[in-house]
Amino acid sequence: DAGVTQSPTHLIKTRGQQVTLRCSPKSGHDTVSWYQQALGQGPQFIFQYYEEEERQRGNFPDRFSGHQFPNYSSELNVNALLLGDSALYLCASTFRGRSSGNTIYFGEGSWLTVV
Amino acid sequence: AQSVTQLGSHVSVSEGALVLLRCNYSSSVPPYLFWYVQYPNQGLQLLLKYTTGATLVKGINGFEAEFKKSETSFHLTKPSAHMSDAAEYFCAVSSSGGYQKVTFGTGTKLQVIP
Repeated sequence: DAGVTQSPTHLIKTRGQQVTLRCSPKSGHDTVSWYQQALGQGPQFIFQYYEEEERQRGNFPDRFSGHQFPNYSSELNVNALLLGDSALYLCASTFRGRSSGNTIYFGEGSWLTVV
Repeated sequence: AQSVTQLGSHVSVSEGALVLLRCNYSSSVPPYLFWYVQYPNQGLQLLLKYTTGATLVKGINGFEAEFKKSETSFHLTKPSAHMSDAAEYFCAVSSSGGYQKVTFGTGTKLQVIP
């Protein structure tokens, strides 16, 4: 059973460019969240998708957008990249079932460097 | 609103010594609490979680944590440190429900000295 998979693992972009990161949730999971982890910091919540809609959003500008597909996979898009967007981007998945306390699983992340 | 405070950004222990990583939380609703470990250049791995019930939670690799509501704490312990425990540890809090937004602390880097 594959866990949460993310691609690409590493990428380098130039300021002003746009980037798309991809995530496939763990089998059986229907909810995907994205987090940004800057160097030396804890992960910060960007947003969460369920039933192809953004359900919650953290304190991130509109340059950060996302999408969830019918197969529950998700994309994170960042426009007009800034140097400060350099970070590890983590995808997390869970099952938004009736049972609370469902475990959240994280992927290995996508390392984005903006130069 | 929820928040987590991890006391000590760096902790050093000798191999075989007790590991104690401190975490205090703030939450307006009954919290779900987590400890995650992150090895260099890797993602997050769940060590243990508290949702409801027993306040002493046992996790993987010999770690455990105790939920103390009166102290709003969820400290992580391990009786005897191994070299392989060297990593960064994150305490985190969320509210109940299947759609959990997780709020993380800033992390504690554990160094194990031979």
